[in-house]
Amino acid sequence: QSVLTQPPSASGTPGQRVTMSCSGSSSNIGSNSVNWYQQLPGAAPKLLIHTNNKRPSGVPDRFSGSKSGTSASLAISGLQSEDEADYYCAAWDDSLINPDYVFGTGTKVTVL
Amino acid sequence: QVQLVQSGAEVKNPGASVKVSCQASGYSFTYYTMHWVRQAPGQRLEWMGWINANTKYSQKFQGRVTITRDTSANTAYMELSSLRSEDTAVYYCARDGGYSSSSPLDYWGQGTLVTVS
Repeated sequence: QSVLTQPPSASGTPGQRVTMSCSGSSSNIGSNSVNWYQQLPGAAPKLLIHTNNKRPSGVPDRFSGSKSGTSASLAISGLQSEDEADYYCAAWDDSLINPDYVFGTGTKVTVL
Repeated sequence: QVQLVQSGAEVKNPGASVKVSCQASGYSFTYYTMHWVRQAPGQRLEWMGWINANTKYSQKFQGRVTITRDTSANTAYMELSSLRSEDTAVYYCARDGGYSSSSPLDYWGQGTLVTVS
């Protein structure tokens, strides 16, 4: 099963901008759109960004997504204490006969 | 409002099967695809499969997982057989919003802890 690679951790002080990457391949990010999920401690994941850069209703515009080639990025501007969570990217992977929906390895964001 | 309510925690012996339910409310159940995702302790999310009028499974779980639904009860089910200790995880159901080919999972159940021991 393919895996999307994310840095294990990222951190910043309140108000700072934090970015995290999601590295894939031509069979996943290179040919499909990316979603991002936020998982607060002890909670179910929440959809944060879909289709590379679109925010669902209710998601603050501090969160933004982008994609280029086989990589994607999530940025949090104006970091707040409630942003401390795990963040996962996800995309369909077409490398197998049966496409798989693959998640990234996750990035833990710490607010210093 | 959309809600997905899952069944309670389970403890199973190795080799047994487990069936987790996910009752949906607040939307037209039959019009949306439901996914199942699991998360082992301290690990990343892992996709298992989905169901609408059809089913599709991750190759990793093919042959061991069965996803079904009862449209009269607005409930989806995930059954995993031949359990082993590595299957200890929180299992989530999640609705596919359907507004993008990226499969945005826009509503999630609260999760069901399955312990294999």
